[in-house]
Amino acid sequence: SQQGEEDPQALSIQEGENATMNCSYKTSINNLQWYRQNSGRGLVHLILIRSNEREKHSGRLRVTLDTSKKSSSLLITASRAADTASYFCATAYTGGGNKLTFGTGTQLKVEL
Amino acid sequence: EAQVTQNPRYLITVTGKKLTVTCSQNMNHEYMSWYRQDPGLGLRQIYYSMNVEVTDKGDVPEGYKVSRKEKRNFPLILESPSPNQTSLYFCASSPGGQTYGYTFGSGTRLTVV
Repeated sequence: SQQGEEDPQALSIQEGENATMNCSYKTSINNLQWYRQNSGRGLVHLILIRSNEREKHSGRLRVTLDTSKKSSSLLITASRAADTASYFCATAYTGGGNKLTFGTGTQLKVEL
Repeated sequence: EAQVTQNPRYLITVTGKKLTVTCSQNMNHEYMSWYRQDPGLGLRQIYYSMNVEVTDKGDVPEGYKVSRKEKRNFPLILESPSPNQTSLYFCASSPGGQTYGYTFGSGTRLTVV
C-alpha cells in the first residue's frame, strides 16, 4: 500500500534543541497530516497542511510541504522532555478514497 | 469532553472465540475507521465508514467485520480470531474522512493465543 516514509526512524536530542522529522510520499495528495503518539497510546492530531499550502505553524510546531519533491518536514522548536513520543505523517492521497495512509513513524527522545 | 471511547483496553482470547471491540464517539462525526498497529508496519486501515449503514474495506480487512447501525458506534468484530490478529487496534473518527484530522481512541491491545 502507499505509505509515507518518515526519516529518521529514531532521533535523540537534548532539551531545548530543535527536532526535525521528514516525510516522503509517493503520489499526489490532497493533504498531509502529522500525529503524535505517546508510548502505546492513541494518536493525537497535530497539524494538517493542504496541498496548496507550503508552510503552517502551530505553537512550537512548524510544518512545511514541498509537493514537487513529495516531501514534508515537521520542526519542533525548543523541545521539551514531554515531546518524547513517536511522530507519524499521514497522507490523504488524491483518488485514494476517504482514508489516511500512515507511515511507520519517527521515535523522538528528548533528554534532560 | 469530545472523545472516541474503545473497550476493552486489553483483551486476551483464544483462537476461534468470537469477540467484539466496541468504539463510540460523542462528536457527531460522520466518518469512523479502524486501524491496527504492528511493529515495523505502522498503522494499517482495516475498515472505514462514511456514514450510517455505509462501510468499506481498508487495506487489511480479512478476518474482520464491522457494522454502523448508529452514527456514534462502530464495533469491530473478529468472528474467528487467529494469532496473526494479535495487535494494537485503534478506532478513529473525523467530521468527514481524510479532509479533517482524526480523533483516535486510546487503543485496544489484543492477544490471541
